[in-house]
This record gives sequence, structure tokens and C-alpha cells, in this order.
Amino acid sequence: GAGVSQSPSNKVTEKGKDVELRCDPISGHTALYWYRQSLGQGLEFLIYFQGNSAPDKSGLPSDRFSAERTGGSVSTLTIQRTQQEDSAVYLCASSNVGGHYNEQFFGPGTRLTVL
Amino acid sequence: AQRVTQPEKLLSVFKGAPVELKCNYSYSGSPELFWYVQYSRQRLQLLLRHISRESIKGFTADLNKGETSFHLKKPFAQEEDSAMYYCALLQGAQKLVFGQGTRLTINP
Repeated sequence: GAGVSQSPSNKVTEKGKDVELRCDPISGHTALYWYRQSLGQGLEFLIYFQGNSAPDKSGLPSDRFSAERTGGSVSTLTIQRTQQEDSAVYLCASSNVGGHYNEQFFGPGTRLTVL
Repeated sequence: AQRVTQPEKLLSVFKGAPVELKCNYSYSGSPELFWYVQYSRQRLQLLLRHISRESIKGFTADLNKGETSFHLKKPFAQEEDSAMYYCALLQGAQKLVFGQGTRLTINP
């Protein structure tokens, strides 16, 4: 079946612009995660959605970052007034929560470059 | 604070040699740890988890609570093992805390 998809695959923007990154999780997966992958920082957790519960936003680096998950499926990560340090690969993952832990399946990522 | 440390950003070994990727963690409680791998131009994927006590692609990892380590080992490295490896710690029920990653290169 289809895996996690993300769009766009690459995004180049100018400093100060807003960007939106999209994630389509695996159908039926109730949990959705956003991570940021950058050189020297490894993989940083950003935000986690689980069903109808309030999202865990503890990893968002600043109030310029926000995310939504509509209808329990597609998610959009928005970065306002982008800065050069926002340049990274943004990864989305989903999992089917049915027990203590279920494997997270990752998308291909969106490479964001802020000029 | 819960943390995962991978001290080696880069590791290079020859084909057929043993390989060990180091991972140390800090966690108060009973940890659940994982290794994820990302091959060139592929997605990040789960390699193994400690609770499964499994060997995947010849890799094993043993949780050592005394040393707070979860090193990944393989006795004979193969060229296709070249990849980026991340150690991860389960925080709460679902959230993963990742290390900084180790880029493994297997030389022919």
C-alpha cells in the first residue's frame, strides 16, 4: 500500500516568507509526527498528533512554527517569517496506535532551503 | 532530561570487519530503545528494537542498563550497510527522542 507522502519534495524560499509543508499519512494511522533533520542536530521532534487529543507541541522551536491536522488525516506544518536556520529536511511519520508502541513509518521528507 | 547520545558522527570500516555504532542514553525508568537506518536516497526506517531481541540484517543491539548503552553491532560489515544510523529512545507512549546519528561507511 501507499506509504507516507510529503509535498513538496523541495522548497526554496526567501528569508521572511511563510511556507507550508504537507504530509499525507498512511491511511488508518491515528498518530502523526513531524521531525526536523539538520546537519549537526540529528533528528529533532517537533510535534505529535494522536487522534482527537490535543497535539504535543513541545518540540516546536518557536512560535513561528505551527501545525494542523485536518480530519484526523492530512497535516500541514507552517513556518512563518522563515529564517536561514530553518533550512533542514522536514520529516513526517505516522503510526497505528494500538498498543504500547507501534512502528513509525516515515515519509521522504521536504527539503527546505531558506535563502 | 531524556537524551540519546551517539558520540561518532562518522564511522568508517572495511568490508568484512566488525562494526559497532555507539549509543548512550539518559532516562529515569525502564527505557525502550530503537535503531533506525536511512540508506542513500531512501526513507528512514526501523532497523530493530531492543524489546524484540532480534537480529536484523546481521545487526544486534543489547541494552546495557548499567552502562546506559544500546550499541549496534555486526560481526562482518557489508558494503550495503553503508547508511545513516540513528539511535532512538521512546519517551512516553509514542514520542521518539533521536540521537544525532552516525554515518557509517563500509570501504571495499
